[in-house]
Amino acid sequence: EDQVTQSPEALRLQEGESSSLNCSYTVSGLRGLFWYRQDPGKGPEFLFTLYSAGEEKEKERLKATLTKKESFLHITAPKPEDSATYLCAAYNAGNNRKLIWGLGTSLAVNP
Amino acid sequence: GAVVSQHPSRVICKSGTSVKIECRSLDFQATTMFWYRQFPKQSLMLMATSNEGSKATYEQGVEKDKFLINHASLTLSTLTVTSAHPEDSSFYICSARREGAGNEQFFGPGTRLTVL
Repeated sequence: EDQVTQSPEALRLQEGESSSLNCSYTVSGLRGLFWYRQDPGKGPEFLFTLYSAGEEKEKERLKATLTKKESFLHITAPKPEDSATYLCAAYNAGNNRKLIWGLGTSLAVNP
Repeated sequence: GAVVSQHPSRVICKSGTSVKIECRSLDFQATTMFWYRQFPKQSLMLMATSNEGSKATYEQGVEKDKFLINHASLTLSTLTVTSAHPEDSSFYICSARREGAGNEQFFGPGTRLTVL
């Protein structure tokens, strides 16, 4: 069964303390690995799509990487405004073409 | 950009009434839109896939007659919660898939439904 697992469930960092969020996946026919950011009471905001192992994408303090089994979202020198829930999803281009979602990592960055 | 709007952002209704939520892709066409439900501190739960010009595909356990979906154009999908009850209170979020190499889904801001 296709599955996406995120860890840790919650993470608290001090401002400037770099860290990584993990997204492990077992998906047949992976056609894309997506990262989203969600603030409380809002819809998810698209961050990155990764397609193949070895691919990396960056946006400000965030960098996403992909291997054949997992993806990492690296946060460099985070700021309090980076506090949010980060969601990972895998795109299965099989019959259902749905996104398979992880449960998210809740990140809190203290000033 | 890829902007998706959702209206209303918040609605409070009495038990037994119906509520319609609109989802629009503002700067791209979306053959496929999705409707999600999210409970507090939980991840997104896909309710149904909305396809322009055809019937929606509902996930297991989601009542078709309860949650009516219409995707009348390439930029608009609507979700109607019929005969709403307090247990239908939730955060409803739509997304629109931008077709092409990326197939990214872009999300609306969500609708907070409270049924009294």
